[in-house]
Amino acid sequence: GNSVTQMEGPVTLSEEAFLTINCTYTATGYPSLFWYVQYPGEGLQLLLKATKADDKGSNKGFEATYRKETTSFHLEKGSVQVSDSAVYFCALSDGGGGADGLTFGKGTHLIIQP
Amino acid sequence: EAGVAQSPRYKIIEKRQSVAFWCNPISGHATLYWYQQILGQGPKLLIQFQNNGVVDDSQLPKDRFSAERLKGVDSTLKIQPAKLEDSAVYLCASHSSLTYNEQFFGPGTRLTVL
Repeated sequence: GNSVTQMEGPVTLSEEAFLTINCTYTATGYPSLFWYVQYPGEGLQLLLKATKADDKGSNKGFEATYRKETTSFHLEKGSVQVSDSAVYFCALSDGGGGADGLTFGKGTHLIIQP
Repeated sequence: EAGVAQSPRYKIIEKRQSVAFWCNPISGHATLYWYQQILGQGPKLLIQFQNNGVVDDSQLPKDRFSAERLKGVDSTLKIQPAKLEDSAVYLCASHSSLTYNEQFFGPGTRLTVL
């Protein structure tokens, strides 16, 4: 079956630090990969996505590259801000049209200190 | 456009009682999902509907959980009888073929079983 493994949290960084949150996956086919974010008191929001190998998803200064050879989709940001404090979920979907249910990792709680 | 609506936002019940959650997806979205998010874990897919038909309910505990989407629009998820381990946030999401690969999540219903 499909599975997603991401680094345990909480991850605590100072403002303007470089961020990496590791994510690896196991899938039977050629999945699409996602990062979702959950800000305090809010619902899950799509942060970025990549649908095929070597694609790079980017949004709000965050980036992740779909690496088929290492089955990874690590999230990076060059300079984090206090407002980036949230829980980040890596997820995959098997369906080519994106309609299949998502398989999520456990989430990584990110805390940015001023 | 309005997002995914869920109600109630919070519910507290005693074990062995029954409970129902309601979801209204984004207008025109044919695919609807129910996820269960236990504290400290990522969301887990319970059931997926395409219009009013079930696509995937392989992870739904059918001895106590049921769901329906009779007119292909809004949906109800029911638990009867509830157990302590059902305490979680129940998330509804929807998807359209026009929003390739993106699922839109509602705010969730937080269930506490005492």
